[in-house]
Amino acid sequence: EVQLVESGGVVVQPGGSLRLSCAASGFIFADYQMHWVRQAPGKGLEWVALITWDAQTTHYAEAVKGRFTISRDNNNNSLHLQMNSLRTEDTALYYCAKEGTQLSMLDSWGQGTLVTVTS
Amino acid sequence: SYVLTQPPSVSVAPGKAARLPCGGDNIGRKGVQWYRQRPGQAPMLVIYFDSARPSGIPERFSGSNSGNTATLNIGRVEAGDEADYYCQVWDPDSDSAIFGGGTKLTVL
Repeated sequence: EVQLVESGGVVVQPGGSLRLSCAASGFIFADYQMHWVRQAPGKGLEWVALITWDAQTTHYAEAVKGRFTISRDNNNNSLHLQMNSLRTEDTALYYCAKEGTQLSMLDSWGQGTLVTVTS
Repeated sequence: SYVLTQPPSVSVAPGKAARLPCGGDNIGRKGVQWYRQRPGQAPMLVIYFDSARPSGIPERFSGSNSGNTATLNIGRVEAGDEADYYCQVWDPDSDSAIFGGGTKLTVL
């Protein structure tokens, strides 16, 4: 059974930094592209970032480009999101998601970790 | 950037069929995914590549995609189908995944 468990969400001040992690199990992590998706309170889903299986290619939403960095450790089956220069509008529940057989088909999701950016 | 448009809400009586549209420019040329998100839960994939169902998703869920509209159809709606539904595509022009704003399905 695929399991994705996010961690690292806390309350942080604007301009601060945070690193989210996602522990993966139940599948061959190194074979799959991975994504981060976020959801602001009471709002819809917003895609954040993608990393290929080999970490050679990453893509970001315009809203986070230059501030967030997605990375992975295939030896430890973990996905990360380094978040810098945080803004109040980054407040959201951040989900880690596994891509399936089709590009951007997200077939498994974690339960999310909450990031709150407030002064 | 590419935009997907969904109606904010759709209501349907139990046992009837629900039709949830997702509009986008030439969306028929893209592969569309649909996700269900029940209150307090993470999203779940219910349709991928326009009309394919992941294992465990009932046959009542079907999808279609043509022209400027993709559609999620839910047959014989049950109380447990009440949720937010999001359509999603990959936009190669911006190298990003795009989600629609979501439709809240209410079972009357």
